[in-house]
Amino acid sequence: DAGITQSPRHKVTETGTPVTLRCHQTENHRYMYWYRQDPGHGLRLIHYSYGVKDTDKGEVSDGYSVSRSKTEDFLLTLESATSSQTSVYFCAISESGRSNTEAFFGQGTRLTVV
Amino acid sequence: GENVEQHPSTLSVQEGDSAVIKCTYSDSASNYFPWYKQELGKRPQLIIDIRSNVGEKKDQRIAVTLNKTAKHFSLHITETQPEDSAVYFCAASNAELTGGGNKLTFGTGTQLKVEL
Repeated sequence: DAGITQSPRHKVTETGTPVTLRCHQTENHRYMYWYRQDPGHGLRLIHYSYGVKDTDKGEVSDGYSVSRSKTEDFLLTLESATSSQTSVYFCAISESGRSNTEAFFGQGTRLTVV
Repeated sequence: GENVEQHPSTLSVQEGDSAVIKCTYSDSASNYFPWYKQELGKRPQLIIDIRSNVGEKKDQRIAVTLNKTAKHFSLHITETQPEDSAVYFCAASNAELTGGGNKLTFGTGTQLKVEL
C-alpha cells in the first residue's frame, strides 16, 4: 500500500467548532486530494494540491480550507463545522505527469458533527 | 464540469455468474477511466483502468470496455466469487486539462453482492 496516513481516524465534534484533518504521505507524490464520501453521492472532490502552497478548489469546497506547507502534509480544515459536514473524508495522492496516474487513497477519517 | 452516472446502484448475482456495471460520462475531453473497489470500512482501491486510446482492457476475471462515441464505459466481472462482494465506483478525469494530477469525478457506486 502507498504510504498515506490520515489522522485522526475518527472524530466527534460539536457544531460551530473548527476541525483539522491531517493527511501525511511518504511517497513524495506531487498531487494530494481531499474527498468526502456520502451515501448516494460517491466520492466528491473538496480541494486538491499540485505542490507546496499550491492548492485549488474542487466540487464541494464551501466551508473547507486546505494548506500544504510541506510536500508530505496536506491539511483540511472545517472552519466552523456543521452537521452537513458529517461524512467520511479520504485523502488521496498521485504522481505528476501528463498522463493520469493512479490515485492512492488513505484509510479515511470518519467525522461526526453533533 | 464532468458528470458521471453509474448503474445499477445494487447488483446481486449468484457465485460463478457474471456482473456488469455501467457508467456514462458527460465531458468528451475525459480520457482516463478507473474503477475502484471498496470493501466495507476500507479505502477505495484501484482494480483496473482504461485510457481513451484503448477500447478494452482485461485483467484475469475483470475487464473494462470504453465507447468514446457514446461516452460510456463498463466493468465486467466473470466467474464472480464471494470476495468480489463490495462497492464499485467508476470515475473519469483528464490530467491534461487540469495541469496534471488526477482530479477524479466519481459515479455514485454499485453495491455488488455475490451470493453462494
